[in-house]
Amino acid sequence: NAGVTQTPKFRILKIGQSMTLQCTQDMNHNYMYWYRQDPGMGLKLIYYSVGAGITDKGEVPNGYNVSRSTTEDFPLRLELAAPSQTSVYFCASSSPTIASYNEQFFGPGTRLTVL
Amino acid sequence: GENVEQHPSTLSVQEGDSAVIKCTYSDSASNYFPWYKQELGKGPQLIIDIRSNVGEKKDQRIAVTLNKTAKHFSLHITETQPEDSAVYFCAASKNDYKLSFGAGTTVTVRA
Repeated sequence: NAGVTQTPKFRILKIGQSMTLQCTQDMNHNYMYWYRQDPGMGLKLIYYSVGAGITDKGEVPNGYNVSRSTTEDFPLRLELAAPSQTSVYFCASSSPTIASYNEQFFGPGTRLTVL
Repeated sequence: GENVEQHPSTLSVQEGDSAVIKCTYSDSASNYFPWYKQELGKGPQLIIDIRSNVGEKKDQRIAVTLNKTAKHFSLHITETQPEDSAVYFCAASKNDYKLSFGAGTTVTVRA
């Protein structure tokens, strides 16, 4: 199992450009998440999905969009990139059960810089 | 929503000593408290968790304690080793899949 994979690892965008961060998991997890991590701020939830076709906003959704057409993939779309979106983005997945509760498995992250 | 505060933000310990990280939460309905470790350049990884019906849990050199009345929980690392150097995050959740994370503690173990 590769677990959670994210592409690209690094990206530099100009203000106003758009891009899609890719996330794929091979653990057949129903739940998937997107977080952003800023220095000294911990992880903030952007969007999450509890299954294919279902998405919902987290704490900081403005400026982002997601889709979930398959169980495996959960891409994050940035429209009109702004300097405030400079951050490290993590995708995660989980399969909550009574036994394991909600252990989230994280990808390696995408470091995005908007100039 | 849930607010999780974590202290200290940085912690430097001598190898072999103990490290303690403390977190407080605001929502008394929270009932699941995981701790994640993030090594440089990687995503966070779960190291231990505790549920509200348990006061303490141990796994080798790490332990977590929970005080529901005071709404705080702590991570204890004993006999620290160089590989314990990392960023540690606490989190809280109220019986669903959404975690609220603390700001993180950077732990440095000095040889």
